[in-house]
Amino acid sequence: AQSVTQLGSHVSVSEGALVLLRCNYSSSVPPYLFWYVQYPNQGLQLLLKYTSAATLVKGINGFEAEFKKSETSFHLTKPSAHMSDAAEYFCAVSLNDYKLSFGAGTTVTVRA
Amino acid sequence: DVKVTQSSRYLVKRTGEKVFLECVQDMDHENMFWYRQDPGLGLRLIYFSYDVKMKEKGDIPEGYSVSREKKERFSLILESASTNQTSMYLCASSPFSRNTEAFFGQGTRLTVV
Repeated sequence: AQSVTQLGSHVSVSEGALVLLRCNYSSSVPPYLFWYVQYPNQGLQLLLKYTSAATLVKGINGFEAEFKKSETSFHLTKPSAHMSDAAEYFCAVSLNDYKLSFGAGTTVTVRA
Repeated sequence: DVKVTQSSRYLVKRTGEKVFLECVQDMDHENMFWYRQDPGLGLRLIYFSYDVKMKEKGDIPEGYSVSREKKERFSLILESASTNQTSMYLCASSPFSRNTEAFFGQGTRLTVV
């Protein structure tokens, strides 16, 4: 079975501060990992993905994530938050069956 | 540009009605998915299709069925809508490749009254 755990359903950061969203997965085989963002009343948009190449993955809008096999983690970071980063973020894992399993999501609010 | 289109953004239906949610993709993808999104629960997979006329149950198939008669179209059917099916429904598609992301539609917010 596969599962994804996102620690913290809500994160509040000040504009310009570090954004850190945590994701841990459970898997018995090497996973493919994804971070998606969802703006209000929108579908999901891919931020970045890990597909067994480099462990540090850079995505759109200044986000990056690091795959740590020993910690079974794939945390998402952005050095400096912008007001436009306010959204809901989902971590997802895919095994060999091509289906995506999603975490519960983390809502980010950015304070001016 | 990649596109997944869901036929309705908002729907209001009555309890017991048969409801059809339509999804079309223009990327010639093999895989198509229907997810349900509820606060605090993330996205849960209802059904998955990897080819025309092929389907697999996801994590929460009860009360739903699907149809895929053409590669580009994947329909979700609520045979007899109930209030606990009030939710956001998201359609997605992806190529038949392990390391490729899924592309999502805008979502359909369904309210059953």
